[in-house]
Amino acid sequence: NAGVMQNPRHLVRRRGQEARLRCSPMKGHSHVYWYRQLPEEGLKFMVYLQKENIIDESGMPKERFSAEFPKEGPSILRIQQVVRGDSAAYFCASSPSQGASYEQYFGPGTRLTVT
Amino acid sequence: GEDVEQSLFLSVREGDSSVINCTYTDSSSTYLYWYKQEPGAGLQLLTYIFSNMDMKQDQRLTVLLNKKDKHLSLRIADTQTGDSAIYFCAEMAPDAGNNRKLIWGLGTSLAVNP
Repeated sequence: NAGVMQNPRHLVRRRGQEARLRCSPMKGHSHVYWYRQLPEEGLKFMVYLQKENIIDESGMPKERFSAEFPKEGPSILRIQQVVRGDSAAYFCASSPSQGASYEQYFGPGTRLTVT
Repeated sequence: GEDVEQSLFLSVREGDSSVINCTYTDSSSTYLYWYKQEPGAGLQLLTYIFSNMDMKQDQRLTVLLNKKDKHLSLRIADTQTGDSAIYFCAEMAPDAGNNRKLIWGLGTSLAVNP
């Protein structure tokens, strides 16, 4: 059973470009979470999604950031018009919808560098 | 309020026990977690404890929860060099509805010396 997959692992963007980060949850998991780890800071929750629904986006910046988890395919975190302050590691986690729904399993992360 | 605090560094000798401490402030926390992060890697779920438990043991890992003091600890017995990593404490404090976000400490960097 493959774990949570994220791609790309490393992403370099110039200021003003768009960044698209992908996350494929573990097989059988229908809940996805995105977290951001800024340099010298801890992880911060961004958004919690279920298939085709955003459940909690209280940690998402109000502008330029969006997330989706379509019926088919991976979850996407999209950052428009990136700025240097967006440079961070972005982690995705997934959990099952029933049973151990409180266990969040993380992917390896996407390290975004904005130049 | 939501706040999780950990000491930033811990150094132990190989074979000794390590104890990593964490305090949290949200008394409604239901689950408390320990994750391990090795350099450049993702976060590995080590263990977790439900808030109605005092202790949980899993092989070399022992989690102790003092709910009154809002204090959580992770003990690693017979610490090995492969245990060198950053250990994160996290709490889940669900509101009514579907809130499942984890609130994180800054991590404790564990160095194991041969």
